[in-house]
Amino acid sequence: DAGITQSPRHKVTETGTPVTLRCHQTENHRYMYWYRQDPGHGLRLIHYSYGVKDTDKGEVSDGYSVSRSKTEDFLLTLESATSSQTSVYFCAISEREPGKNYGYTFGSGTRLTVV
Amino acid sequence: AQTVTQSQPEMSVQEAETVTLSCTYDTSESDYYLFWYKQPPSRQMILVIRQEAYKQQNATENRFSVNFQKAAKSFSLKISDSQLGDAAMYFCAYRRGSGGSNYKLTFGKGTLLTVNP
Repeated sequence: DAGITQSPRHKVTETGTPVTLRCHQTENHRYMYWYRQDPGHGLRLIHYSYGVKDTDKGEVSDGYSVSRSKTEDFLLTLESATSSQTSVYFCAISEREPGKNYGYTFGSGTRLTVV
Repeated sequence: AQTVTQSQPEMSVQEAETVTLSCTYDTSESDYYLFWYKQPPSRQMILVIRQEAYKQQNATENRFSVNFQKAAKSFSLKISDSQLGDAAMYFCAYRRGSGGSNYKLTFGKGTLLTVNP
């Protein structure tokens, strides 16, 4: 779905370095989410945003921060990457009401490897 | 907190046969939505089917149908006439209904479906 893009698609970084992942939407949706996907765990919510500068923690937020200065952009930052943060990261957007998608629109994911 | 449980980490089916993937959930809310997402090796998350809790009729999308048992909090996915392209990871997910400021999806851990030719 062209309405949401994530960058980069792949990244390898070293332990202890900061990393920022970007999610950009063109749908003007209010809600944006960051999930991580790990084998045996499904997708788990890291942080979410319900408006510009309005963010909150999800179930696995330790070691992550987010920012949303514009409706279209939601940034996820790993302040000091650790090997346990090696994962696939998905951004998603949603409307308040289910709308035609009845849920979310997902980005293509970012595979992050911390070595 | 809502939880979603998929008790089958892996399933397999013969091409053209029918397979059912199980999902149970726990919630105290009466207004919610349930979804099945498909994730092929491309990593893309694809919505397969959704069910509104207030609807008694089971949702159907072509070869995909659900068995929604609200009282039992069960939401299984049936794939009929399985095709090789159905091979993927399938996630069951829950979303609350209207109200509040958080419409997050809560996912199960997934079921990896293999389709054998």
